Amino acid sequence: EAQVTQNPRYLITVTGKKLTVTCSQNMNHEYMSWYRQDPGLGLRQIYYSMNVEVTDKGDVPEGYKVSRKEKRNFPLILESPSPNQTSLYFCASSPPSGGTDTQYFGPGTRLTVL
Amino acid sequence: DQQVKQNSPSLSVQEGRISILNCDYTNSMFDYFLWYKKYPAEGPTFLISISSIKDKNEDGRFTVFLNKSAKHLSLHIVPSQPGDSAVYFCAPILMYSGGGADGLTFGKGTHLIIQP
Repeated sequence: EAQVTQNPRYLITVTGKKLTVTCSQNMNHEYMSWYRQDPGLGLRQIYYSMNVEVTDKGDVPEGYKVSRKEKRNFPLILESPSPNQTSLYFCASSPPSGGTDTQYFGPGTRLTVL
Repeated sequence: DQQVKQNSPSLSVQEGRISILNCDYTNSMFDYFLWYKKYPAEGPTFLISISSIKDKNEDGRFTVFLNKSAKHLSLHIVPSQPGDSAVYFCAPILMYSGGGADGLTFGKGTHLIIQP
């Protein structure tokens, strides 16, 4: 089954404790990205990757890091989480043509930073 | 400055009637426009799209209309069903000349509520 998986689905942590949210897709997609969703602000892109070893900042990259060492994985790293990073995070992937091809979204990771 | 605006945070429609969700954008260079549907506690799912060279695209009960001169698009759902109750996001996309695309720029979403 074609899918995007994220782990963990729910995470509560404390300020300053480094964490990683994993994202993996089994569709051999080149393009992957991370979004955060906040009430009243919709979905905002954090980082995206056009292919292995190619990553770029999205609209709200501050406080986040990503890596793309393999095509299937695109982890999101919070080196020193802060309460304003409490949010719902979605990973997505798509083939390079974009456009009418869909972005496949993961189920989301709800992060709470205390 | 928002590139994409969905000015109605919520919309309530009676079952069987037409639901019309609106989206305005500022960048005339957008190539495609996508609509996503999202249920609580789930990731967004792709619903329907339209190319900038078209003014209408229809898929079953869903039709998207594009007015490029007004930089406005709308999603029509007819007839509306209870399962259509969800948050709908408008997402224009800019294609690279060599293929591929930048990330999606989402509107803030419209919460559609279908009343029985």
